[in-house]
Amino acid sequence: EDKVVQSPLSLVVHEGDTVTLNCSYEVTNFRSLLWYKQEKKAPTFLFMLTSSGIEKKSGRLSSILDKKELSSILNITATQTGDSAIYLCAHSGSARQLTFGSGTQLTVLP
Amino acid sequence: NAGVTQTPKFQVLKTGQSMTLQCAQDMNHEYMSWYRQDPGMGLRLIHYSVGAGITDQGEVPNGYNVSRSTTEDFPLRLLSAAPSQTSVYFCASSYEPATNEKLFFGSGTQLSVL
Repeated sequence: EDKVVQSPLSLVVHEGDTVTLNCSYEVTNFRSLLWYKQEKKAPTFLFMLTSSGIEKKSGRLSSILDKKELSSILNITATQTGDSAIYLCAHSGSARQLTFGSGTQLTVLP
Repeated sequence: NAGVTQTPKFQVLKTGQSMTLQCAQDMNHEYMSWYRQDPGMGLRLIHYSVGAGITDQGEVPNGYNVSRSTTEDFPLRLLSAAPSQTSVYFCASSYEPATNEKLFFGSGTQLSVL
């Protein structure tokens, strides 16, 4: 059974700090690793990492996939209060199903 | 741009009642799915569909039915509501049916079963 574990469960930082969120996975057939941001309600897509694309960057957010360590990190630099959200990691395997981790709740204080 | 539309946003049911959660998308996505989100457990897949007339079970399908008569609509039916079905439900769609990645989510339905 595929498994995705995220850490930490929650994190409180101040504006301007840099944060690193972790995601580890145990899967039978790796296809891709995805990151989503969930603010008040609906998760929104951030990044997809595959064997052919192990690093992605968008503004202050970046993500790296380590296939050897079966893990991924999401970095956010110069955090802002608008970054406060739940960050979800998910694996897409061969069964057309996404397996989600339980998420990291990030709170950025002014 | 409507995207994925879910109704209702909130619902309270009594144990044993049935109801249908509605989901519609206007992006011509072939892949649609239903997830439930419980505290500390992330999102878990209930049912999914890779096209009209085709549905399949996800991780937690018991107590739920789905149908896909059109590309746009994917309703989720609770047959006989139980307190264990208290959760937030999300409908999601994708234009990549082979991999269901890059999901677009609806705004969710908060369901309470008393």
